Amino acid sequence: SYELTQPLSVSVALGQTARITCGGNNIGSKNVHWYQQKPGQAPVLVIYRDSNRPSGIPERFSGSNSGNTATLTISRAQAGDEADYYCQVWDSNTVVFGGGTKLTVL
Amino acid sequence: DVQVVESGGGLVKPGESLRLSCAASGFSFSSYSMHWVRQAPGKGLEWVSCISSSSTSIYYADSVKGRFTISRDNAKNSLYLQMNSLRAEDTAVYYCASSNNYYDRSGYWAPNWLDPWGQGTLVTVSS
Repeated sequence: SYELTQPLSVSVALGQTARITCGGNNIGSKNVHWYQQKPGQAPVLVIYRDSNRPSGIPERFSGSNSGNTATLTISRAQAGDEADYYCQVWDSNTVVFGGGTKLTVL
Repeated sequence: DVQVVESGGGLVKPGESLRLSCAASGFSFSSYSMHWVRQAPGKGLEWVSCISSSSTSIYYADSVKGRFTISRDNAKNSLYLQMNSLRAEDTAVYYCASSNNYYDRSGYWAPNWLDPWGQGTLVTVSS
């Protein structure tokens, strides 16, 4: 089965840039979607199809996908960006989520 | 507003059954695929099942195959998850979510991103 690998945690200083990676075999050939989940809340879509932002998501959120790694980039990180982030793909008739990354804004 | 609202969670004993429901509003439910995703306490997201708009494509995670059944009623804008032979490891918050879909290069149906998600309903399996 297809696996997506994310770092357990990423820390970023307030106002700096955070990068969260999602590793998978030839993930660059797949559509990658990213979700943000704050404590006690449902996940929210922040990036779809590698690099597209839904309406209402700040321009500070961006995504890329190439080779074996997809990346979610959060520029000018704010305290409100602290959350768990999950990547997701579709593979072999299965929705696959990464294990999630906890983003801490220092 | 586009939204989905889950219901039907609760406390059950191992081996028992439970039926979850998800009511959709604010969008053309019959045109969208639907999913169930669960999250055990303190754990990550785990996809459970999905169903295409016309119920012609249905898929399950291996962990629930043969025990759970997904279905929908487009006339009622509702999604369901029948859960049988429940186990302690099925304890989780269960979310429903919608997605549109596309056809890949080989012509196979595939769902896109999941959006929106409901607030979830808690299922606890314990003796």
